[in-house]
Amino acid sequence: LAKTTQPISMDSYEGQEVNITCSHNNIATNDYITWYQQFPSQGPRFIIQGYKTKVTNEVASLFIPADRKSSTLSLPRVSLSDTAVYYCLVVVMDSNYQLIWGAGTKLIIKP
Amino acid sequence: IAGITQAPTSQILAAGRRMTLRCTQDMRHNAMYWYRQDLGLGLRLIHYSNTAGTTGKGEVPDGYSVSRANTDDFPLTLASAVPSQTSVYFCASSWTGNRGLTGELFFGEGSRLTVL
Repeated sequence: LAKTTQPISMDSYEGQEVNITCSHNNIATNDYITWYQQFPSQGPRFIIQGYKTKVTNEVASLFIPADRKSSTLSLPRVSLSDTAVYYCLVVVMDSNYQLIWGAGTKLIIKP
Repeated sequence: IAGITQAPTSQILAAGRRMTLRCTQDMRHNAMYWYRQDLGLGLRLIHYSNTAGTTGKGEVPDGYSVSRANTDDFPLTLASAVPSQTSVYFCASSWTGNRGLTGELFFGEGSRLTVL
């Protein structure tokens, strides 16, 4: 069963690109990788989901190498408002219906 | 569209009391979940429901019960609250299609519960 591991915290500066990596060594063939953002006193919010290679939307990109044992969330040109906790989630696509959450990465953006 | 509505927003409760946290969704999602999030930590699944009429245990189900009488409502009950149940509780819902879980969960704003 997949277990997700991500850095506890990171910091960066406004205008920089930020990459947060999550390890999921035991990911199964059909499992998906999803990322969420959480601000203080709010529920997590879906950012992006992918299976392999690269996925891009209006807020982020998700890079998944061929072996799928890790994934990288990329936030382009961050601003102060991107300060939040980012969670990696492996969606286990079997009958057991499991969502394997990482512990979260606290990202602090400095001016 | 409201999405997920949780009530109460916050509550202080004496140990031993019974408490029900309410959760309602208006997206007609078939799956619903309850998570707890302790200060500075990640999410832990308490109970879930794949569809109305069915429920399942998550990672930390002890001391909690749920019911899913219809698609929209998924209340969480603490039969006899204890201080270790002090936490923020998040309700979420998602749509699962033919391929199973999509991974896009919609969360409520949380219910902050303090048990004294």
